[in-house]
Amino acid sequence: GENVEQHPSTLSVQEGDSAVIKCTYSDSASNYFPWYKQELGKRPQLIIDIRSNVGEKKDQRIAVTLNKTAKHFSLHITETQPEDSAVYFCAAPGDSSYKLIFGSGTRLLVRP
Amino acid sequence: EAGVAQSPRYKIIEKRQSVAFWCNPISGHATLYWYQQILGQGPKLLIQFQNNGVVDDSQLPKDRFSAERLKGVDSTLKIQPAKLEDSAVYLCASSHKPGINNEQFFGPGTRLTVL
Repeated sequence: GENVEQHPSTLSVQEGDSAVIKCTYSDSASNYFPWYKQELGKRPQLIIDIRSNVGEKKDQRIAVTLNKTAKHFSLHITETQPEDSAVYFCAAPGDSSYKLIFGSGTRLLVRP
Repeated sequence: EAGVAQSPRYKIIEKRQSVAFWCNPISGHATLYWYQQILGQGPKLLIQFQNNGVVDDSQLPKDRFSAERLKGVDSTLKIQPAKLEDSAVYLCASSHKPGINNEQFFGPGTRLTVL
């Protein structure tokens, strides 16, 4: 089946704290996992992605970890800033491997 | 480079009316996607084109939705007749190469309200 579950749906953190968003997927053949950030009223934009041949990828304050055995992957944002406030979507390939299935989104609020 | 362009940005119609959305992908991008994003949810793929051919339209409600990309560049998505539950943002995206492991660039979307 095609299913990507994302938790939590909302997350509020104090500026400077870390934020973690988790996603689980169902298709064991999935090999590409992107994360998109969508600010209010704007288009989704890719912020980081990971392929199944690595377990972790970092880009400055953002990191993504992948556990293929457990079929879950997580987004980690360290030293959060108010401009990190947005909705974050994870995605994973669907059965056909030609399309991405998006999670339901996590609304992150970073309190100054 | 210019991004993905969409028009109109907003559209309000009454149920049972028709509506069309237009998308111009990034130049040279062969793959084009139409997504429906209902408020509070993630984007859901409606249809994917590779050049002017359909790769996946399994989630397109074909009794009322249609899409085309005749010359392999611009694309239009049509709803006829619209229902209240079609109220959503319709996002167009494009990628340079086929295959989902290539970055998808999204347009600004068209916000449709069906009254």
